[in-house]
Amino acid sequence: DQQVKQNSPSLSVQEGRISILNCDYTNSMFDYFLWYKKYPAEGPTFLISISSIKDKNEDGRFTVFLNKSAKHLSLHIVPSQPGDSAVYFCAASERGTYKYIFGTGTRLKVLA
Amino acid sequence: EAGVAQSPRYKIIEKRQSVAFWCNPISGHATLYWYQQILGQGPKLLIQFQNNGVVDDSQLPKDRFSAERLKGVDSTLKIQPAKLEDSAVYLCASTRAGPQYFGPGSRLTVT
Repeated sequence: DQQVKQNSPSLSVQEGRISILNCDYTNSMFDYFLWYKKYPAEGPTFLISISSIKDKNEDGRFTVFLNKSAKHLSLHIVPSQPGDSAVYFCAASERGTYKYIFGTGTRLKVLA
Repeated sequence: EAGVAQSPRYKIIEKRQSVAFWCNPISGHATLYWYQQILGQGPKLLIQFQNNGVVDDSQLPKDRFSAERLKGVDSTLKIQPAKLEDSAVYLCASTRAGPQYFGPGSRLTVT
């Protein structure tokens, strides 16, 4: 049973436009969520996180939105840049466990 | 601050052979993880250490995989004997609290 799902394997966006990556989860005990970016032949790099006490967290061009009732989170990248082209993973954990469950990833391609 | 170090970066072995991967976490990070990432999938947790104790190894195939973190710092992951389906990238990560920080990974090809 996959507890964290990223249903879009890939996404293409024009440079300068908004990229929206989606993630759904099934475990209502999850209360801490993260997004990672991964380039080929490198490990995942932490981007941004959000705890369940918030519904939005912003860091520069990256904003994560959390809808607890829908068990859904999204990552917005505005404006998208060619260097954002990578695979993006969402991950979730239960409070205090520091045990993270990852989604399958969405490959973002930003077209110049 | 130095990142998570892993070696070797690449390894090719034949099935039934053994292999070991090494990880040195970020200084001061008590929690260390080993993940397996198969092509096209997300990282799957194999084992989680807190200092030198095991917190979770429920998804570690213990008949062939073993891991240790003897002094609460660096760690080794061993596979013996390897199977074709073990071909993957093995990622090490560490954290003090909150987000994990990953190493570059060790890519294993089993032929």
